[in-house]
Amino acid sequence: QKEVEQDPGPLSVPEGAIVSLNCTYSNSAFQYFMWYRQYSRKGPELLMYTYSSGNKEDGRFTAQVDKSSKYISLFIRDSQPSDSATYLCAMSLSDYKLSFGAGTTVTVRA
Amino acid sequence: NAGVTQTPKFRVLKTGQSMTLLCAQDMNHEYMYWYRQDPGMGLRLIHYSVGEGTTAKGEVPDGYNVSRLKKQNFLLGLESAAPSQTSVYFCASSKLQNRGNQPQHFGDGTRLSIL
Repeated sequence: QKEVEQDPGPLSVPEGAIVSLNCTYSNSAFQYFMWYRQYSRKGPELLMYTYSSGNKEDGRFTAQVDKSSKYISLFIRDSQPSDSATYLCAMSLSDYKLSFGAGTTVTVRA
Repeated sequence: NAGVTQTPKFRVLKTGQSMTLLCAQDMNHEYMYWYRQDPGMGLRLIHYSVGEGTTAKGEVPDGYNVSRLKKQNFLLGLESAAPSQTSVYFCASSKLQNRGNQPQHFGDGTRLSIL
């Protein structure tokens, strides 16, 4: 069993829809939770960063962490074609080593 | 400000050949990392460095070597390439990890095919 599980999709939604992405994990010691966005043939770029449990909002993006369920989510409101990318969840203990999910490919149709 | 730059962007090798991938960062970051990305596997850490002159093994280090002779550069070497090393390789860097987990900044990758 992988340490971080993420449904690879693909996920296709119409423009303006809410995109819902999630990851589950097995290591209850993870404290830092991140979402990276990766466009085709580009490197991952940090989108959201959360410490411990709770919600964090940044514009159209909301990240949620539920440590009791070992479950994290990313919501994209009012999705745009420019949001079409692969979204990677990542998490770590107290140090710098990240454990990544496999990534979910999202397409937003105009 | 270029961030993290990887060279080359593409490369095709024959089994048994050797090569070096170069990563350069201009953000004065202490930490540097090499990952490989394979379909369905996500990013896996090969080697990392917490400072100039230091390196350490990650999750999948076999078949690779690294060097960090200068703070801004991190080299990944394949001594005898194997088809299983066909992958996309990403370099990343981050600030000193003394206050929680510092975000990692990635380059745009090197696509390597081993025939």
